Amino acid sequence: GNSVTQMEGPVTLSEEAFLTINCTYTATGYPSLFWYVQYPGEGLQLLLKATKADDKGSNKGFEATYRKETTSFHLEKGSVQVSDSAVYFCALRTGTASKLTFGTGTRLQVTL
Amino acid sequence: EAGVAQSPRYKIIEKRQSVAFWCNPISGHATLYWYQQILGQGPKLLIQFQNNGVVDDSQLPKDRFSAERLKGVDSTLKIQPAKLEDSAVYLCASNPGGRPEAFFGQGTRLTVV
Repeated sequence: GNSVTQMEGPVTLSEEAFLTINCTYTATGYPSLFWYVQYPGEGLQLLLKATKADDKGSNKGFEATYRKETTSFHLEKGSVQVSDSAVYFCALRTGTASKLTFGTGTRLQVTL
Repeated sequence: EAGVAQSPRYKIIEKRQSVAFWCNPISGHATLYWYQQILGQGPKLLIQFQNNGVVDDSQLPKDRFSAERLKGVDSTLKIQPAKLEDSAVYLCASNPGGRPEAFFGQGTRLTVV
């Protein structure tokens, strides 16, 4: 079956620090990969996606590259802001009719 | 475009009571999902609809949970009777078909006391 493993949080960084949140996956078939973000009290928002190997998804300064050889989709940002404090979920989907499978989430706290 | 709408936002009930949640997906989205998100965990699929047919309900506790999607648009998820372990955020999501990502509503936070 499909599964997603994320690094455990919480991750605490100072503003302008570099962020990496690791994500690895196991999938039957060829998955599409996603990062979703959940701000306090809110639902999940799509942050970025990649649908094939070596694709780089990017949005709001965040990036992640689909690495098929290492089955990874690590999230990075060069300079985090306090407003980036949230929970980040890595997810995958195989096929256009299947469900999203999520990791357990990584809480990011950015301080001044 | 309008997003996925869910109501209510919050609900507190006593154990053994019943509760219902409502979801209105993005217009034209054929696929609708209900996810359960327990505190500190990632969302877990409860049920997936394609139009008004069920595609996957393998993780739905059918002895107490039920869901329907009449006319392939709005959906309701019901719990009867509720247990303490049902305390969670219930997320509705929809997908238009032809795109891999799903779009989520704000969720309903259920507390069972």
